Amino acid sequence: DAGVIQSPRHEVTEMGQEVTLRCKPISGHNSLFWYRQTMMRGLELLIYFNNNVPIDDSGMPEDRFSAKMPNASFSTLKIQPSEPRDSAVYFCASSLFGSVQPQHFGDGTRLSIL
Amino acid sequence: ELKVEQNPLFLSMQEGKNYTIYCNYSTTSDRLYWYRQDPGKSLESLFVLLSNGAVKQEGRLMASLDTKARLSTLHITAAVHDLSATYFCAVDSGGGADGLTFGKGTHLIIQP
Repeated sequence: DAGVIQSPRHEVTEMGQEVTLRCKPISGHNSLFWYRQTMMRGLELLIYFNNNVPIDDSGMPEDRFSAKMPNASFSTLKIQPSEPRDSAVYFCASSLFGSVQPQHFGDGTRLSIL
Repeated sequence: ELKVEQNPLFLSMQEGKNYTIYCNYSTTSDRLYWYRQDPGKSLESLFVLLSNGAVKQEGRLMASLDTKARLSTLHITAAVHDLSATYFCAVDSGGGADGLTFGKGTHLIIQP
């Protein structure tokens, strides 16, 4: 079975540009999570969805960040405008709501803002 | 606010030795996860611990959970080089319905 699929794997862009990260969860999973990983702050939860509905976006650092889940098989995380401090690895994870199974993580998007 | 603390953060050990990584968390939870991350890679689930006294073992790794002490341990027995990685514990305070709060991770290096 295919795991969580993220794209792009790497993104390098200049400050001020719009960045869109994409995620396809595991088929059948109805919870989706976006995390950010940096050396300084470790792994942080940004936002999560249950059944395509955003439940908690308190981890989104600023209004420059937004996330959507238009259907059960696709989610985006957008940064506009991007800043150098947004450079990080962004992970998407999915799980079955209420299940005892762990969250499954994608390979991540390594984002560099110059 | 849920806080998760791991120690040690860095650990260098020799092959064949035993060691334990500790994970403390600040609020009530009955779900604790251990993940492994290799450099530049994703997170791989190792264990899910769901109740007080839970113990799970896979190869040279054994994890346990004490919900009363809010403590989980990851014990490494007779370490081998292939176990070199960063190990994270994570807590779900929402009964499986919330995102995870991660510890800072333990960077483990096992030397021949």
